Amino acid sequence: SQQGEEDPQALSIQEGENATMNCSYKTSINNLQWYRQNSGRGLVHLILIRSNEREKHSGRLRVTLDTSKKSSSLLITASRAADTASYFCATDAKGNDYKLSFGAGTTVTVRA
Amino acid sequence: DGGITQSPKYLFRKEGQNVTLSCEQNLNHDAMYWYRQDPGQGLRLIYYSQIVNDFQKGDIAEGYSVSREKKESFPLTVTSAQKNPTAFYLCASKGHSTDTQYFGPGTRLTVL
Repeated sequence: SQQGEEDPQALSIQEGENATMNCSYKTSINNLQWYRQNSGRGLVHLILIRSNEREKHSGRLRVTLDTSKKSSSLLITASRAADTASYFCATDAKGNDYKLSFGAGTTVTVRA
Repeated sequence: DGGITQSPKYLFRKEGQNVTLSCEQNLNHDAMYWYRQDPGQGLRLIYYSQIVNDFQKGDIAEGYSVSREKKESFPLTVTSAQKNPTAFYLCASKGHSTDTQYFGPGTRLTVL
């Protein structure tokens, strides 16, 4: 089942701008993860945030988690053309046998 | 794509044929997963295996079968019972001490 839902579905920004995408989910989670997929390729793990964490940073990535609202956001700062990809949130729901549920993704296009 | 390989990259199937997609990992991971991705959508779980000689159905197992005879290998067979098999298939693995899944490069299956 697809628990996570990303918003917006698509995003087009100029190089150097920030990109923000959101993820909402329905049930209690152990952690929430963000993955990137370049066109026609496999997924690459970006960052994981646990249910007891509120914010996490990794390079130009910043992830927040609000468990009371069951939502997360991914911020990419100072975007580059190489950031053009689809971004997926995946939830590891409690009691779900360590399976991940993926949303439909946000497609980000960074214009040079 | 790390230490996970999928073959072939492209696969064409005629109506009524069974085809097998290969997934091999050298990461010494216990758990392996098969996902299906349709255009513009997220990943849906087909089957997963947490240990050799054991596997469970995911959300869309009908028309698919798997085996897990070796820790390194988790092949997926798309049977003739799968009515709409054209899709992008992704294999992933996960180690015991991590919550992150590592993905292969994918196999694109097209029914002729």
